[in-house]
Amino acid sequence: DADVTQTPRNRITKTGKRIMLECSQTKGHDRMYWYRQDPGLGLRLIYYSFDVKDINKGEISDGYSVSRQAQAKFSLSLESAIPNQTALYFCATSDFIGGTDTQYFGPGTRLTVL
Amino acid sequence: QKEVEQNSGPLSVPEGAIASLNCTYSDRGSQSFFWYRQYSGKSPELIMFIYSNGDKEDGRFTAQLNKASQYVSLLIRDSQPSDSATYLCAVIGSSASKIIFGSGTRLSIRP
Repeated sequence: DADVTQTPRNRITKTGKRIMLECSQTKGHDRMYWYRQDPGLGLRLIYYSFDVKDINKGEISDGYSVSRQAQAKFSLSLESAIPNQTALYFCATSDFIGGTDTQYFGPGTRLTVL
Repeated sequence: QKEVEQNSGPLSVPEGAIASLNCTYSDRGSQSFFWYRQYSGKSPELIMFIYSNGDKEDGRFTAQLNKASQYVSLLIRDSQPSDSATYLCAVIGSSASKIIFGSGTRLSIRP
């Protein structure tokens, strides 16, 4: 079984709808992240959480919110989806050991907002 | 200035040759440096990390770090068609709070 899972894998929605993307991990890592990827822009950090009670904004948090329900679960919400939120979304986990912070990515969710 | 910069490519290299990918970063106090590979439509996966000046080798891959010049590179020896992918450079800055990714370099290995 995959260590980091994301649901759904693909989603098409309409402008103004509320959308939730879910991420679960079995790696036992404290740190979890949400990124979006757009062509030519690489990975941009939306939100990150270093433990259950810790939530931090990333580079592009406007229009998004998150919830860390448990160590293993981190969900991303789009309160009112707009077309420029069409992108590939990745969840990732990491465990900051020895100065390294290797990211382990889920398979991604392709979101299209019409 | 972007915090982590990469040439977007595409970089085309003949099979069997050495592919050289470069990355520069702006935070002089950056601590750790990573190279991820991402195949089209897939998620990124770690190839190597390096945190000391010099070279680090792992099989066909060598990461090179020069903190004085603020660049990190990845060499791929004996390039194979399966190496065709986008390579993402990532850096943990001096605050150590999060990792910053470059926009990636697309590498194409031609037979």
